[in-house]
Amino acid sequence: ELKVEQNPLFLSMQEGKNYTIYCNYSTTSDRLYWYRQDPGKSLESLFVLLSNGAVKQEGRLMASLDTKARLSTLHITAAVHDLSATYFCAVDMRENYGGSQGNLIFGKGTKLSVKP
Amino acid sequence: DSGVTQTPKHLITATGQRVTLRCSPRSGDLSVYWYQQSLDQGLQFLIQYYNGEERAKGNILERFSAQQFPDLHSELNLSSLELGDSALYFCASSVGPSLLGYNEQFFGPGTRLTVL
Repeated sequence: ELKVEQNPLFLSMQEGKNYTIYCNYSTTSDRLYWYRQDPGKSLESLFVLLSNGAVKQEGRLMASLDTKARLSTLHITAAVHDLSATYFCAVDMRENYGGSQGNLIFGKGTKLSVKP
Repeated sequence: DSGVTQTPKHLITATGQRVTLRCSPRSGDLSVYWYQQSLDQGLQFLIQYYNGEERAKGNILERFSAQQFPDLHSELNLSSLELGDSALYFCASSVGPSLLGYNEQFFGPGTRLTVL
């Protein structure tokens, strides 16, 4: 069974600080997705990582993928209050890709709170 | 706005009842996914349809069923409702994994179901 584990699950940061959220997964996959969810809202796609060594950046967020270590990281630089949200990573069912499946397995999410 | 629409936004009903949740995917997307989000279970994949056919099943109860219609909209039917079915139900859509090489999913605003 594919497992996706995020840590930490809760993160309280001060504005201006840097931090990293980790996403480990238990099976071979080279497709990793990061989503953001504001309280009571939908999930917004942030990054799609499609190969080993992939790095993507948008504003203060940078995501990377190491398929050999089965690890993705979401790095937050100089946090601001607007980044407060829950961040999810999700893994594609690679071995079923191109076949009948394409569903994503999500981690439990990291609830980020940025305080002044 | 992801382009995925869901109705209704909120639904309050009693135990034992049956409800239908509706989803319209983004224009051009062939795959529709249903997810359940609750505090204790997190984001759980329920079922996927691709161009009208069921493609994958996740943790979907036998009391739940879904279908995708020729116009590609989808409905999730929940019957014999229990208190524990109270959750946020999301629909997501994608072009279809085999068409793009990956499976970025776009989420609708969700339907909040409360079972009393």
